Amino acid sequence: ILNVEQSPQSLHVQEGDSTNFTCSFPSSNFYALHWYRWETAKSPEALFVMTLNGDEKKKGRISATLNTKEGYSYLYIKGSQPEDSATYLCASRSARQLTFGSGTQLTVLP
Amino acid sequence: DVKVTQSSRYLVKRTGEKVFLECVQDMDHENMFWYRQDPGLGLRLIYFSYDVKMKEKGDIPEGYSVSREKKERFSLILESASTNQTSMYLCASSTQGQGYGNTIYFGEGSWLTVV
Repeated sequence: ILNVEQSPQSLHVQEGDSTNFTCSFPSSNFYALHWYRWETAKSPEALFVMTLNGDEKKKGRISATLNTKEGYSYLYIKGSQPEDSATYLCASRSARQLTFGSGTQLTVLP
Repeated sequence: DVKVTQSSRYLVKRTGEKVFLECVQDMDHENMFWYRQDPGLGLRLIYFSYDVKMKEKGDIPEGYSVSREKKERFSLILESASTNQTSMYLCASSTQGQGYGNTIYFGEGSWLTVV
């Protein structure tokens, strides 16, 4: 089983702050890295899928980067809003399966 | 819109009961998955299926079985529920390949409490 680690486990920021969190994964046998946003009482929603070293993806105020050689991905949120409050999950795809981290729980305070 | 529907959102069952969790997707996806979510452990794969009547064990299959008689429906079965199976269960689906370049779509989850 791959070991996918996310940090921090939880985070509180003020509205308007920018923030970022980390996903670490084994760099060997890597196929793809997924980011999901999971709001309470809803389904996890796909944000990004990245496959190539150096990939950068952006969706509105949220962006992500990927370093496959050292095995990490960063998720950035610029100018956090209360509606960004959610758990952010990353998952690393190997040859056999998709392994999830335990998530970073973000709370944006108004 | 893509839709994965888990028919039972909240269930309370007694130890030893047989429990069925049903999942239906309307996207004609080949692959379907059952995950379990527990605090601090992330989503853990129980079983997946890449075709009708096909199934493969995930990381934590013990105590569970699955059924896929139709492409759109994937059922998780707890033959004899135990208290350590109290958890939140997520169903998901995707096109071929478990996530490589393909998004996985999730249901809203089924909260199961075994007493």
